[in-house]
Amino acid sequence: DQQVKQNSPSLSVQEGRISILNCDYTNSMFDYFLWYKKYPAEGPTFLISISSIKDKNEDGRFTVFLNKSAKHLSLHIVPSQPGDSAVYFCAASRYSNDYKLSFGAGTTVTVRA
Amino acid sequence: DAGVTQSPTHLIKTRGQQVTLRCSPKSGHDTVSWYQQALGQGPQFIFQYYEEEERQRGNFPDRFSGHQFPNYSSELNVNALLLGDSALYLCASSSQGAVNTEAFFGQGTRLTVV
Repeated sequence: DQQVKQNSPSLSVQEGRISILNCDYTNSMFDYFLWYKKYPAEGPTFLISISSIKDKNEDGRFTVFLNKSAKHLSLHIVPSQPGDSAVYFCAASRYSNDYKLSFGAGTTVTVRA
Repeated sequence: DAGVTQSPTHLIKTRGQQVTLRCSPKSGHDTVSWYQQALGQGPQFIFQYYEEEERQRGNFPDRFSGHQFPNYSSELNVNALLLGDSALYLCASSSQGAVNTEAFFGQGTRLTVV
């Protein structure tokens, strides 16, 4: 049962433009959402998170938006850089110290020079 | 600080065999979680170990078992391997009670079952 879905397997964007990655979830018990970045032959690296009590969280070039009523979140990367080329995973948990994360299938981002 | 280390990096096993994967957590971490990432999918939670006990378990059969040692390192054992067990197995370490954003993942073990 896929409780977290990333429906776009890939995204290609020009350097300097905005990358928008989308994620939907079905379990209303999820209260905490995370984005991870993964390079080949490396483990996922935490990027940014958001609690369900917020609708936006920013960290430098990365902003996550949460629409709890729609069970939808998105990650914006502005401006996109070549080093951002990676697989991005959306993950969800029931609370902030719950390590039973439910992951989406990932979106491969390619930033073109 | 070596971070989270997993061994081996790759291995190939035959259907029906048993396999043991190993994980050494980041220094100062006492909790280990295991995930299975099949090709084209996101990681799926297998189980978590803390104080040498399994604390949480995902939807995996009993063929998947684990162990945590007093030094906090952990093993994942899979018995009676199936072709569908071919995947990247990821280990994540953390400190008990810390927020999950502070978990660190290892590079994974790529298991191929033939």
